[in-house]
Order: sequence, then C-alpha cells, then structure tokens
Amino acid sequence: GNSVTQMEGPVTLSEEAFLTINCTYTATGYPSLFWYVQYPGEGLQLLLKATKADDKGSNKGFEATYRKETTSFHLEKGSVQVSDSAVYFCALSDWGGYQKVTFGIGTKLQVIP
Amino acid sequence: NAGVTQTPKFQVLKTGQSMTLQCAQDMNHEYMSWYRQDPGMGLRLIHYSVGAGITDQGEVPNGYNVSRSTTEDFPLRLLSAAPSQTSVYFCASSEGGTDTQYFGPGTRLTVL
Repeated sequence: GNSVTQMEGPVTLSEEAFLTINCTYTATGYPSLFWYVQYPGEGLQLLLKATKADDKGSNKGFEATYRKETTSFHLEKGSVQVSDSAVYFCALSDWGGYQKVTFGIGTKLQVIP
Repeated sequence: NAGVTQTPKFQVLKTGQSMTLQCAQDMNHEYMSWYRQDPGMGLRLIHYSVGAGITDQGEVPNGYNVSRSTTEDFPLRLLSAAPSQTSVYFCASSEGGTDTQYFGPGTRLTVL
C-alpha cells in the first residue's frame, strides 16, 4: 500500500533560518504529491503540490520538487518567519478507482524570534 | 463562498451517547471525506463519498456511519460514543481524481 514518511518534530528554528522538512513516499502508481499546512486551531490548507516527476511546487517562499528516483518531496524555505509556525503535512494522492489520499504524521515547526 | 463548514466546533459526550457531526460544502465537489486526527498518527480516513448516494469505508470506519443524500452535505454519525473516539474530526472535499482537498475547520470531540 501507499505510505508517506516524515519526521514528527518539533523542529525549532530561529527567524530567517533555512528550513528543510524531509518527506519520502511509497506508492504503486504515479501519485500527485502535496504539502498541506495547519495553523493552530484551523483545518489543513494546501501549501503547494506537484503532479509529475521533476515538477516543482512553490508558494509563499516554500518549494518542493517531485523526485521520482529518490521517491522524495522535501519542503524547503530559505528564510522562515514566526508566522510560519504550524504543522506541515506531506501527502500523496493516487487513483485506484477512487481518490485515495495518504498523509504523513505531520511535522510541527516552531520559529522563534 | 463559505467553502467547507463543520458544526459543532467542540463537543463533549458521555460514553454510549450518539451524535452527528455536520459537514457541508458549497463548491459542488463530488468527493467528500471524513478524517480523524490523533497525535502521532496524522490523518486517518474514516469514510468517503464519490458522489450523492455513494459512500465507502476508509481506514478506520468502525463505530461511524455516513450517508450522502445531496452533493452538499456529508454527515458523520457516531452510533455509541467510546473514549477511543476522542479526536479532532475533519471533513474535506475535492473535485475528484487526485485533486487538492479543501478542509473544514474541524470538530474537537471529547468522549468521557
């Protein structure tokens, strides 16, 4: 079956530090890959996505590249802000007669001033 | 557009009680899903629907029922609440295929 692996954290960074959150996946087909973000007390919202190998998703300074050869979709940001403090979920979406979405456990990011 | 709405935001139940969590979307999405979020376990799929009148089980369906009589609404019923069902519940919708999911704000349920 499909699976997504990411570290749970928490990851604590100082403001303006570089961020990397690793995500690797296992899938039988050709999935789409997503990063969702959950701010405190809210539901998840899409941060970025990539639908095929070598695609780069980007939004709000965050980037992730779909690497089929390493089955990875690592999230990066060059300079984090306090407002980026949230939980980040890596996910994959595959088609097996219905839309099947598999989420990682979520990585909590805390950015301190 | 309101997007995906969920009610209530918070609920406390006693063991054995039943209740319905409401979910509605105004985006005319065919696909709707219910997830529960527990610490260290990410989101787990409870039930999903690919259109009005069509539902199926997800990863953790026991103790929950769903129905989909309209495109807009997808209620989740807890038949006889148990402490193991203490969790945060999210409803989500999408156009279909492998598209982006849109999440509601969640319902925090505590079962005593």
